[in-house]
Amino acid sequence: EAGVAQSPRYKIIEKRQSVAFWCNPISGHATLYWYQQILGQGPKLLIQFQNNGVVDDSQLPKDRFSAERLKGVDSTLKIQPAKLEDSAVYLCASSLLAGGFNEQFFGPGTRLTVL
Amino acid sequence: AQTVTQSQPEMSVQEAETVTLSCTYDTSESDYYLFWYKQPPSRQMILVIRQEAYKQQNATENRFSVNFQKAAKSFSLKISDSQLGDAAMYFCALSQGGSEKLVFGKGTKLTVNP
Repeated sequence: EAGVAQSPRYKIIEKRQSVAFWCNPISGHATLYWYQQILGQGPKLLIQFQNNGVVDDSQLPKDRFSAERLKGVDSTLKIQPAKLEDSAVYLCASSLLAGGFNEQFFGPGTRLTVL
Repeated sequence: AQTVTQSQPEMSVQEAETVTLSCTYDTSESDYYLFWYKQPPSRQMILVIRQEAYKQQNATENRFSVNFQKAAKSFSLKISDSQLGDAAMYFCALSQGGSEKLVFGKGTKLTVNP
């Protein structure tokens, strides 16, 4: 079974530029998550999708971050314009079912550096 | 609000020895779940072990076991017979019932010495 795929693995941009990350979840997984992991901290949920609908985006900085999951499969996360404090690893995860006990499967992440 | 605290930024253990990683949490819910995730240097996070709060019996997965103290809101991870491949960041996480939102601690970096 293929895991969660993410691209690119690394990205370096100047502040005020825009950037997009892509995630393809495990086939059949209805729930998709984007996390931000700043160096030295645990991941923080940015947005959660159930199929192609948003379940939780309470911690997404909506003035600069946006995400979509068209057709309920793969997803893109965009930052526009980027700030220095956006430097982090962006993790995508998916799970088969909704419900608190379900295992989340994580991708390898995209390391973003904003200069 | 739910919070997870890992008070040990770094731990080390000798190969084949046992180590315990600490985690405390806070939640107002009675229905919740606790997890330990491992993040090796390659960054891909994987689930190590999970516990349902309503179950009194501590979860075990091969060399990994937990000590779940509900009243104390403590959820420690014990790794027995430590192996070099156990070296990683370990994150404790909490999910409240009805929502899959995971809240993570800051992590503990485990080093395994040969």
